Amino acid sequence: EVQLVQSGAEVKKPGASLKISCKGSGYSFTSYWIGWVRQRPGKGLEWMGVIYPGDSDTRYSPSFQGQVTMSADKSTSTAYLQWSSLKASDTAMYYCARRASYGPRGFFDYWGQGALVTVSS
Amino acid sequence: QSVLTQPPSVSAAPGQKVTISCSGSSSTIGNNYVSWYQQLPGTAPKLLIYDNNERPSRIPDRFSASKSGTSATLAITGLQTGDEADYYCETWDSSLSALVFGGGTKLTVL
Repeated sequence: EVQLVQSGAEVKKPGASLKISCKGSGYSFTSYWIGWVRQRPGKGLEWMGVIYPGDSDTRYSPSFQGQVTMSADKSTSTAYLQWSSLKASDTAMYYCARRASYGPRGFFDYWGQGALVTVSS
Repeated sequence: QSVLTQPPSVSAAPGQKVTISCSGSSSTIGNNYVSWYQQLPGTAPKLLIYDNNERPSRIPDRFSASKSGTSATLAITGLQTGDEADYYCETWDSSLSALVFGGGTKLTVL
């Protein structure tokens, strides 16, 4: 069974750093892209970027380029999303999701349960 | 403001049919594949439709979709109260070289 299990909720102060995780199981982790999607409270889905764990090829949405860093560890089948300096506007639910291909044809077929990040002083 | 336009909300009675539109452009829907996702309250999104009109095996055939020109449509027949959710379309934007989601549509089953 394909599963993506994300790390738990986080509460951080503005300016703090943070790294959240997404562990894949039940499939070949290095053969699929992992995407990250932000959902601010009461708002819609926003695509942040994708990473291909097989070779760490990473593509960022123009809106998130330079704001976050995506990485992956093949040895533990885990993808990461990190911030170096959080802002209150980063408060959101963050989802990871699996994607077979990146480009004009593709879709997110399995999703993690989400990780709630709250940034507040 | 998303490059894919969805109505903020739609509603219909149990047992009825509802359609949700997703309007784009030649650089988005017009030349790329469309996917649809369902997000039940308090849960993660779930894939409903891929490649414009294909359903994963676990999705009932009450859910269908089509694409024409620069617009796509999700249809749900035999509405159930459990279908109350937010629905999102998604595609590739060739001008941005990026994935894009629609703004989402909240379905209310009256």
